Amino acid sequence: DTGVSQDPRHKITKRGQNVTFRCDPISEHNRLYWYRQTLGQGPEFLTYFQNEAQLEKSRLLSDRFSAERPKGSFSTLEIQRTEQGDSAMYLCASRFSGRGLLTSSQETQYFGPGTRLLVL
Amino acid sequence: AQSVTQPDIHITVSEGASLELRCNYSYGATPYLFWYVQSPGQGLQLLLKYFSGDTLVQGIKGFEAEFKRSQSSFNLRKPSVHWSDAAEYFCAVGNFGNEKLTFGTGTRLTIIP
Repeated sequence: DTGVSQDPRHKITKRGQNVTFRCDPISEHNRLYWYRQTLGQGPEFLTYFQNEAQLEKSRLLSDRFSAERPKGSFSTLEIQRTEQGDSAMYLCASRFSGRGLLTSSQETQYFGPGTRLLVL
Repeated sequence: AQSVTQPDIHITVSEGASLELRCNYSYGATPYLFWYVQSPGQGLQLLLKYFSGDTLVQGIKGFEAEFKRSQSSFNLRKPSVHWSDAAEYFCAVGNFGNEKLTFGTGTRLTIIP
């Protein structure tokens, strides 16, 4: 399977603990995105990377959140001092971006299965 | 700022009946438009997308959608639904460069026998 993968799929933690999620994009994709989806809502953009560079962060991404993509391949999203309001599904997506005219498939973000976080 | 409205929170349809899910968007330029489907506890699967060209786009699983600029709409249709179509459906709009998708709140589809 060459799709986007995320690990773990589920995480239960106690309030105040730190958690880290991992996303492995489709291998040739240089752009990687993080979204958060709370119950009954659509996904909300958090941040995205072009290779290892983090190019944009949403205001939703508080100081307790940090995302990295150190080698331009997989990415990690860490939440420090978790709060109950952090309970959500964290989705990762990837796509290819390059110079010139892209195909519609290259313009499309492909999503992983998500990591569901529950903070007790 | 871009936004998406899905006015129907929940729709119930009989198996074999036709389906239309509504989506209205707000975006200043020509939008990138998407429909994704999400089964319980799962990630998002792309059904179809519109970038330019023909305003009627075909997707997977027999779905289609029509882009109507004058109505700022991108409604999803299927002529005959199957029980396996029960899921949550999200419409999304992409900004210039398609770096940030803005999603609607979703429409939950229930299929009854």
